[in-house]
Amino acid sequence: NAGVTQTPKFRVLKTGQSMTLLCAQDMNHEYMYWYRQDPGMGLRLIHYSVGEGTTAKGEVPDGYNVSRLKKQNFLLGLESAAPSQTSVYFCASSESGSSYNEQFFGPGTRLTVL
Amino acid sequence: AQSVSQHNHHVILSEAASLELGCNYSYGGTVNLFWYVQYPGQHLQLLLKYFSGDPLVKGIKGFEAEFIKSKFSFNLRKPSVQWSDTAEYFCAVNVHWGNKLVFGAGTILRVKS
Repeated sequence: NAGVTQTPKFRVLKTGQSMTLLCAQDMNHEYMYWYRQDPGMGLRLIHYSVGEGTTAKGEVPDGYNVSRLKKQNFLLGLESAAPSQTSVYFCASSESGSSYNEQFFGPGTRLTVL
Repeated sequence: AQSVSQHNHHVILSEAASLELGCNYSYGGTVNLFWYVQYPGQHLQLLLKYFSGDPLVKGIKGFEAEFIKSKFSFNLRKPSVQWSDTAEYFCAVNVHWGNKLVFGAGTILRVKS
């Protein structure tokens, strides 16, 4: 099993450009999450999904959109990138919404917005 | 809203020194607690977790953590660190259905060989 994979690994955007980050998991997990990691702030939840076709806002959702058209994929979109969105983005998945379930993380995408 | 505080952002130790990283959370109810580790260039991995029972939990690579409910703390310890322990360590709390983790800011540990 590959676990949780993310593409791309690195990306540089200009202010105002758009892009989509792809997260894929092969563990048949119901829940998927997008976090951003900034120095000194840990990981903060952007959006999450409790199943195919459903999404919900996390702690810092502004400027991002998500979609979960297939159970194994969770897409994070930036419609008009801003320098404040320069960050490392991590995707995670868990078997269910139980707080006893471990979250498995992907390798991250380092995004720079100029 | 719950929050998680990690007291030290950077820690530098020599090999064989003992390690203790502090973690405090703000929530009065039942919590699940986690420590994750991120080695340079790698993704987050679960180090250990506490749900209930014995407040002293053991994880991988010789790490352990102690849950002290009265102090709202979940400190991470290791008796003797190795150079390969150089990494960033995150404490996290989960209190709600939906498995939404709240992370601390992280502690960067550098072990000098």
